Amino acid sequence: GAVVSQHPSRVICKSGTSVKIECRSLDFQATTMFWYRQFPKKSLMLMATSNEGSKATYEQGVEKDKFLINHASLTLSTLTVTSAHPEDSSFYICSARGLAGSEQYFGPGTRLTVT
Amino acid sequence: DAKTTQPPSMDCAEGRAANLPCNHSTISGNEYVYWYRQIHSQGPQYIIHGLKNNETNEMASLIITEDRKSSTLILPHATLRDTAVYYCIVGGSEKLVFGKGMKLTVNP
Repeated sequence: GAVVSQHPSRVICKSGTSVKIECRSLDFQATTMFWYRQFPKKSLMLMATSNEGSKATYEQGVEKDKFLINHASLTLSTLTVTSAHPEDSSFYICSARGLAGSEQYFGPGTRLTVT
Repeated sequence: DAKTTQPPSMDCAEGRAANLPCNHSTISGNEYVYWYRQIHSQGPQYIIHGLKNNETNEMASLIITEDRKSSTLILPHATLRDTAVYYCIVGGSEKLVFGKGMKLTVNP
């Protein structure tokens, strides 16, 4: 299957700082990328959908000013957690899709710990 | 909300076929059935998807009932590495909404 990478795989930051997570599609052009978060023993929760070159669409309850998403190219999307707080500690996972209707491929996830 | 219902867990013996059920009685005509699995602390892995016809690939087979209200994912020869949470997801060309999934444990 297609390969999606995320960087970093783990990050620890102090409360109040911002953290940027990168998501790359390595062997295909991703017209759409998705960002999820997952708390321990819970399922994935979709945060937002981004299409290359346009603003992200956020799910209800997700603060767009706190979770900044940029999808500047067909192979890269970034999620920036601004002014992170301990409750933002979670497993953040991106996915990428080429053509509409095709399967999504997921990255390995980024473990964020805010101290 | 997820449009699928799966049992919370299932056990299977190593080497045997694992049949994972999924109900999706409210599926629309243009919605696909996707299966993903997630091994602890990793991103979900795509397994297979289908619309109406049964599908098979190197990982699994997907059997969709004629009325499309349910499906079964078949792992023909389960191994210990198939232990994971399996998600059955119904969706169209847009986002995938994950439910709680089903924990499959393959026992030696």
